[in-house]
Amino acid sequence: DGGITQSPKYLFRKEGQNVTLSCEQNLNHDAMYWYRQDPGQGLRLIYYSQIVNDFQKGDIAEGYSVSREKKESFPLTVTSAQKNPTAFYLCASSIDRIITGELFFGEGSRLTVL
Amino acid sequence: SQQGEEDPQALSIQEGENATMNCSYKTSINNLQWYRQNSGRGLVHLILIRSNEREKHSGRLRVTLDTSKKSSSLLITASRAADTASYFCATGQVYNTDKLIFGTGTRLQVFP
Repeated sequence: DGGITQSPKYLFRKEGQNVTLSCEQNLNHDAMYWYRQDPGQGLRLIYYSQIVNDFQKGDIAEGYSVSREKKESFPLTVTSAQKNPTAFYLCASSIDRIITGELFFGEGSRLTVL
Repeated sequence: SQQGEEDPQALSIQEGENATMNCSYKTSINNLQWYRQNSGRGLVHLILIRSNEREKHSGRLRVTLDTSKKSSSLLITASRAADTASYFCATGQVYNTDKLIFGTGTRLQVFP
């Protein structure tokens, strides 16, 4: 079945540690996105990538980094510079570089900083 | 910055009743989409309406779009307990086609 796989589903981190969240898609979609969701809130865009080896900052990129070395993979690193990293992180993809249709989402990764 | 604002923030109804959620936005759009999110899960696309459309139906869902008022509504008819979820609108903008802007969502609770 085609889709987006995020891992891990739950992750605990000590302050000062970097963590990397995995996002893999087998939909052959060009564009991939990382969103952050806080309790009771909507989604805020962290980074997105429309093509391999290229990515752009979203609205809240500070303290995060990404890479897009392969079309199917778009990992997100939450660095120690992110002041409030506890949140629910969602990865998504779209078939085209320009959004004319729907986004497909993974099941999310919940990060908790201890 | 988030563009869409949903109203109400929370809605509780009985099974069989209709649920209406509203979304307002600020800038010119190409399309407006509605998504559903069950607690702790990813978002699932429900329906997309383009800026030149006024109404669209999909099963028990009815979406309207009024570009003059920059608003949209999602109507779920004959609600079921399984419809309990959060519902988000998202806009594809004319002047920034790279991304969708999501609203803050409406939490719908349907009681059996």
